[in-house]
Amino acid sequence: DGGITQSPKYLFRKEGQNVTLSCEQNLNHDAMYWYRQDPGQGLRLIYYSQIVNDFQKGDIAEGYSVSREKKESFPLTVTSAQKNPTAFYLCASSRYRGDAGNTEAFFGQGTRLTVV
Amino acid sequence: AQKVTQAQTEISVVEKEDVTLDCVYETRDTTYYLFWYKQPPSGELVFLIRRNSFDEQNEISGRYSWNFQKSTSSFNFTITASQVVDSAVYFCALSEGGTGRRALTFGSGTRLQVQP
Repeated sequence: DGGITQSPKYLFRKEGQNVTLSCEQNLNHDAMYWYRQDPGQGLRLIYYSQIVNDFQKGDIAEGYSVSREKKESFPLTVTSAQKNPTAFYLCASSRYRGDAGNTEAFFGQGTRLTVV
Repeated sequence: AQKVTQAQTEISVVEKEDVTLDCVYETRDTTYYLFWYKQPPSGELVFLIRRNSFDEQNEISGRYSWNFQKSTSSFNFTITASQVVDSAVYFCALSEGGTGRRALTFGSGTRLQVQP
Protein backbone atom coordinates (compact mmCIF):
# COMPACT_ATOMS: atom_id res chain seq x y z
CA ASP A 1 0.00 0.00 0.00
CA GLY A 2 1.20 3.54 -0.75
CA GLY A 3 1.83 5.81 2.14
CA ILE A 4 4.22 7.47 4.53
CA THR A 5 6.04 5.50 7.18
CA GLN A 6 7.54 7.12 10.22
CA SER A 7 9.68 5.26 12.67
CA PRO A 8 9.92 4.75 15.50
CA LYS A 9 6.49 5.52 16.91
CA TYR A 10 7.92 6.34 20.34
CA LEU A 11 11.44 7.53 21.03
CA PHE A 12 13.20 8.35 24.26
CA ARG A 13 16.32 10.47 24.28
CA LYS A 14 18.72 11.46 26.98
CA GLU A 15 19.59 15.10 27.26
CA GLY A 16 22.60 16.00 25.15
CA GLN A 17 22.07 13.24 22.61
CA ASN A 18 21.28 13.58 18.94
CA VAL A 19 18.49 11.42 17.58
CA THR A 20 17.24 10.77 14.05
CA LEU A 21 13.62 10.29 13.08
CA SER A 22 12.92 8.31 9.94
CA CYS A 23 10.39 9.22 7.24
CA GLU A 24 9.90 7.17 4.08
CA GLN A 25 7.25 7.57 1.38
CA ASN A 26 6.35 5.41 -1.60
CA LEU A 27 3.87 7.83 -3.14
CA ASN A 28 6.41 9.18 -5.64
CA HIS A 29 5.90 12.66 -4.17
CA ASP A 30 8.47 15.38 -4.81
CA ALA A 31 7.83 17.48 -1.72
CA MET A 32 8.34 16.37 1.86
CA TYR A 33 7.87 18.18 5.16
CA TRP A 34 8.55 17.91 8.88
CA TYR A 35 6.21 19.42 11.44
CA ARG A 36 6.31 19.62 15.20
CA GLN A 37 3.18 19.52 17.34
CA ASP A 38 3.11 20.44 21.02
CA PRO A 39 0.17 19.52 23.27
CA GLY A 40 -2.93 21.56 22.48
CA GLN A 41 -1.20 23.41 19.67
CA GLY A 42 -1.14 23.43 15.92
CA LEU A 43 1.59 22.13 13.66
CA ARG A 44 4.71 24.20 13.14
CA LEU A 45 6.96 23.71 10.13
CA ILE A 46 10.53 22.63 10.85
CA TYR A 47 11.95 21.93 7.38
CA TYR A 48 10.63 21.19 3.94
CA SER A 49 12.03 19.92 0.68
CA GLN A 50 10.54 20.45 -2.74
CA ILE A 51 13.05 18.25 -4.60
CA VAL A 52 15.93 15.89 -3.93
CA ASN A 53 19.13 17.49 -2.61
CA ASP A 54 17.31 20.70 -1.75
CA PHE A 55 15.55 21.79 1.43
CA GLN A 56 14.51 24.98 3.21
CA LYS A 57 14.16 26.00 6.83
CA GLY A 58 10.70 26.39 8.18
CA ASP A 59 9.57 28.47 11.13
CA ILE A 60 11.37 26.56 13.89
CA ALA A 61 14.49 25.02 12.28
CA GLU A 62 16.93 25.83 15.07
CA GLY A 63 18.29 22.67 16.67
CA TYR A 64 17.19 20.43 13.81
CA SER A 65 18.84 19.18 10.63
CA VAL A 66 17.63 17.22 7.60
CA SER A 67 18.90 15.59 4.44
CA ARG A 68 17.19 14.68 1.19
CA GLU A 69 19.47 12.32 -0.69
CA LYS A 70 16.66 10.18 -2.07
CA LYS A 71 13.19 11.11 -3.22
CA GLU A 72 11.62 8.57 -0.87
CA SER A 73 13.42 9.57 2.31
CA PHE A 74 13.58 12.71 4.46
CA PRO A 75 15.16 11.96 7.87
CA LEU A 76 15.09 14.55 10.64
CA THR A 77 17.86 14.82 13.23
CA VAL A 78 17.05 16.44 16.52
CA THR A 79 20.34 17.74 17.84
CA SER A 80 21.45 18.55 21.36
CA ALA A 81 21.09 22.21 20.43
CA GLN A 82 17.30 21.84 20.45
CA LYS A 83 16.42 23.03 23.95
CA ASN A 84 12.95 21.58 24.25
CA PRO A 85 12.67 18.60 21.92
CA THR A 86 9.87 16.72 23.65
CA ALA A 87 6.99 16.83 21.14
CA PHE A 88 5.04 14.92 18.51
CA TYR A 89 6.75 14.97 15.11
CA LEU A 90 4.84 14.53 11.88
CA CYS A 91 6.25 13.92 8.44
CA ALA A 92 4.26 14.63 5.28
CA SER A 93 4.60 14.57 1.52
CA SER A 94 2.78 16.05 -1.44
CA ARG A 95 3.00 16.24 -5.20
CA TYR A 96 4.61 19.32 -6.72
CA ARG A 97 2.53 20.78 -9.56
CA GLY A 98 4.48 23.84 -10.58
CA ASP A 99 2.34 26.97 -10.69
CA ALA A 100 -0.73 24.94 -9.80
CA GLY A 101 0.57 24.61 -6.27
CA ASN A 102 1.33 21.51 -4.31
CA THR A 103 -1.40 18.95 -3.84
CA GLU A 104 -2.76 18.03 -0.46
CA ALA A 105 -0.19 16.65 1.94
CA PHE A 106 -0.40 13.11 3.25
CA PHE A 107 0.89 12.52 6.75
CA GLY A 108 2.62 9.71 8.54
CA GLN A 109 1.48 8.40 11.91
CA GLY A 110 4.01 10.50 13.79
CA THR A 111 6.86 9.94 16.22
CA ARG A 112 6.46 10.91 19.85
CA LEU A 113 9.83 12.03 21.19
CA THR A 114 10.44 12.31 24.91
CA VAL A 115 13.60 13.58 26.54
CA VAL A 116 14.41 11.78 29.77
CA ALA B 1 3.62 36.30 5.74
CA GLN B 2 0.73 33.89 5.79
CA LYS B 3 -1.34 33.17 8.85
CA VAL B 4 -4.31 30.99 9.76
CA THR B 5 -6.52 31.71 12.75
CA GLN B 6 -8.94 29.27 14.35
CA ALA B 7 -10.44 31.26 17.19
CA GLN B 8 -12.48 28.38 18.62
CA THR B 9 -10.21 26.31 20.83
CA GLU B 10 -12.81 23.75 21.83
CA ILE B 11 -16.43 23.08 20.93
CA SER B 12 -18.75 20.61 22.61
CA VAL B 13 -22.05 19.55 21.04
CA VAL B 14 -24.58 16.82 21.51
CA GLU B 15 -24.97 14.19 18.82
CA LYS B 16 -27.13 15.25 15.84
CA GLU B 17 -26.45 18.93 16.36
CA ASP B 18 -24.92 20.93 13.51
CA VAL B 19 -21.60 22.57 14.22
CA THR B 20 -19.48 25.12 12.33
CA LEU B 21 -15.73 25.45 12.73
CA ASP B 22 -14.35 28.85 11.82
CA CYS B 23 -11.16 29.58 9.89
CA VAL B 24 -9.75 32.97 8.93
CA TYR B 25 -6.60 33.31 6.86
CA GLU B 26 -4.12 35.96 5.78
CA THR B 27 -1.93 35.91 2.70
CA ARG B 28 -0.55 38.41 0.24
CA ASP B 29 -0.61 35.95 -2.63
CA THR B 30 -3.48 36.00 -5.09
CA THR B 31 -3.01 32.29 -5.73
CA TYR B 32 -3.36 30.14 -2.66
CA TYR B 33 -4.89 26.91 -1.45
CA LEU B 34 -6.94 26.17 1.64
CA PHE B 35 -7.24 22.85 3.40
CA TRP B 36 -9.01 21.17 6.26
CA TYR B 37 -7.56 18.20 8.13
CA LYS B 38 -8.95 15.99 10.88
CA GLN B 39 -6.72 14.63 13.65
CA PRO B 40 -8.33 11.78 15.58
CA PRO B 41 -6.83 10.59 18.89
CA SER B 42 -4.44 8.29 17.01
CA GLY B 43 -2.55 11.42 15.91
CA GLU B 44 -2.39 10.97 12.15
CA LEU B 45 -3.79 13.84 10.11
CA VAL B 46 -6.55 12.95 7.69
CA PHE B 47 -7.08 15.15 4.64
CA LEU B 48 -10.65 16.45 4.16
CA ILE B 49 -10.60 19.09 1.45
CA ARG B 50 -8.39 21.32 -0.75
CA ARG B 51 -9.71 24.51 -2.27
CA ASN B 52 -7.95 26.97 -4.56
CA SER B 53 -8.39 30.73 -4.31
CA PHE B 54 -10.13 31.00 -7.66
CA ASP B 55 -12.94 28.65 -6.79
CA GLU B 56 -15.40 30.17 -4.35
CA GLN B 57 -18.11 27.61 -4.82
CA ASN B 58 -19.25 26.01 -1.64
CA GLU B 59 -18.71 22.29 -1.42
CA ILE B 60 -20.71 19.53 0.18
CA SER B 61 -19.54 16.02 0.86
CA GLY B 62 -22.05 13.96 2.78
CA ARG B 63 -22.50 15.57 6.20
CA TYR B 64 -19.58 17.92 5.60
CA SER B 65 -19.78 21.29 3.88
CA TRP B 66 -17.37 24.15 3.38
CA ASN B 67 -18.08 27.85 2.91
CA PHE B 68 -15.26 29.81 1.24
CA GLN B 69 -15.63 33.61 1.27
CA LYS B 70 -12.74 35.63 -0.12
CA SER B 71 -14.37 38.90 0.93
CA THR B 72 -13.94 37.96 4.59
CA SER B 73 -10.89 35.68 4.12
CA SER B 74 -12.76 32.80 5.68
CA PHE B 75 -13.05 29.12 4.97
CA ASN B 76 -15.54 27.67 7.44
CA PHE B 77 -16.39 24.01 7.90
CA THR B 78 -19.81 22.73 8.92
CA ILE B 79 -20.69 19.25 10.10
CA THR B 80 -24.38 18.49 9.85
CA ALA B 81 -26.00 16.04 12.25
CA SER B 82 -22.77 15.46 14.17
CA GLN B 83 -21.82 11.99 15.36
CA VAL B 84 -19.57 10.76 18.14
CA VAL B 85 -17.05 9.61 15.51
CA ASP B 86 -16.62 13.25 14.49
CA SER B 87 -14.85 13.93 17.78
CA ALA B 88 -11.33 15.03 16.87
CA VAL B 89 -9.13 18.08 16.44
CA TYR B 90 -9.73 19.88 13.17
CA PHE B 91 -7.09 22.00 11.48
CA CYS B 92 -7.42 24.60 8.79
CA ALA B 93 -4.30 25.21 6.68
CA LEU B 94 -3.03 27.43 3.87
CA SER B 95 -0.37 27.06 1.18
CA GLU B 96 0.65 29.44 -1.55
CA GLY B 97 1.25 28.96 -5.24
CA GLY B 98 3.77 30.48 -7.60
CA THR B 99 6.87 31.57 -5.71
CA GLY B 100 5.07 31.65 -2.39
CA ARG B 101 5.43 29.19 0.44
CA ARG B 102 4.27 25.80 -0.73
CA ALA B 103 4.40 24.17 2.68
CA LEU B 104 1.20 24.21 4.71
CA THR B 105 0.71 26.82 7.39
CA PHE B 106 -1.68 25.51 10.03
CA GLY B 107 -4.06 27.13 12.43
CA SER B 108 -3.95 26.13 16.08
CA GLY B 109 -6.85 23.71 15.67
CA THR B 110 -10.34 23.32 17.10
CA ARG B 111 -11.09 20.37 19.35
CA LEU B 112 -14.60 19.07 18.69
CA GLN B 113 -16.27 16.87 21.26
CA VAL B 114 -19.53 15.24 20.27
CA GLN B 115 -21.42 13.86 23.25
CA PRO B 116 -23.81 10.95 22.81
